[in-house]
Amino acid sequence: GQQVMQIPQYQHVQEGEDFTTYCNSSTTLSNIQWYKQRPGGHPVFLIQLVKSGEVKKQKRLTFQFGEAKKNSSLHITATQTTDVGTYFCAGSRLTGGGNKLTFGTGTQLKVEL
Amino acid sequence: GAVVSQHPSRVICKSGTSVKIECRSLDFQATTMFWYRQFPKQSLMLMATSNEGSKATYEQGVEKDKFLINHASLTLSTLTVTSAHPEDSSFYICSAPDRADIGSPLHFGNGTRLTVT
Repeated sequence: GQQVMQIPQYQHVQEGEDFTTYCNSSTTLSNIQWYKQRPGGHPVFLIQLVKSGEVKKQKRLTFQFGEAKKNSSLHITATQTTDVGTYFCAGSRLTGGGNKLTFGTGTQLKVEL
Repeated sequence: GAVVSQHPSRVICKSGTSVKIECRSLDFQATTMFWYRQFPKQSLMLMATSNEGSKATYEQGVEKDKFLINHASLTLSTLTVTSAHPEDSSFYICSAPDRADIGSPLHFGNGTRLTVT
């Protein structure tokens, strides 16, 4: 079945440092979504990328969808303590997946002062 | 924005009993709802897709008779964990897209932490 892996699994940074998480799918995706889950909370939708090579920015967050639509990345510039949480990518398969999302393994980010 | 309400947030039950979890879309209609299970510090694993007016679609390895899903209306889906055992203890979370097109963003409930003693 479809697998979506993320690296790293954990990342500790000092406040102000940059952070990147990478997402790789075993199958070609129709789109990729990113979610953030705060400790003890539920996943919250951040953004969706649809086009090959697409890049989107949200303030300090930059999201990229690979040319082959099998990988994606999330980069946070100058992290803040409010960025703490687990970041999940989630993808819909190009064919046969319907509206079903497969979530990545997640990257847990900790930001220290 | 679209809101999904999930109840209860926490439940402790004895082994052998059944637990019902409700998931409601408050300001939109959800023909489809997804039920996930999440173990501590792990990803969300899709258990089943709940379809209004038809049977749920279960993922491979998920017992249909163990996890009963009912999508009674366009705003309500329920997951019943039957004859619960300690290994069923987990965080269960529902979600729904507010649009029907493929790849629509999901709106998640707050989740239910189930502890079976």
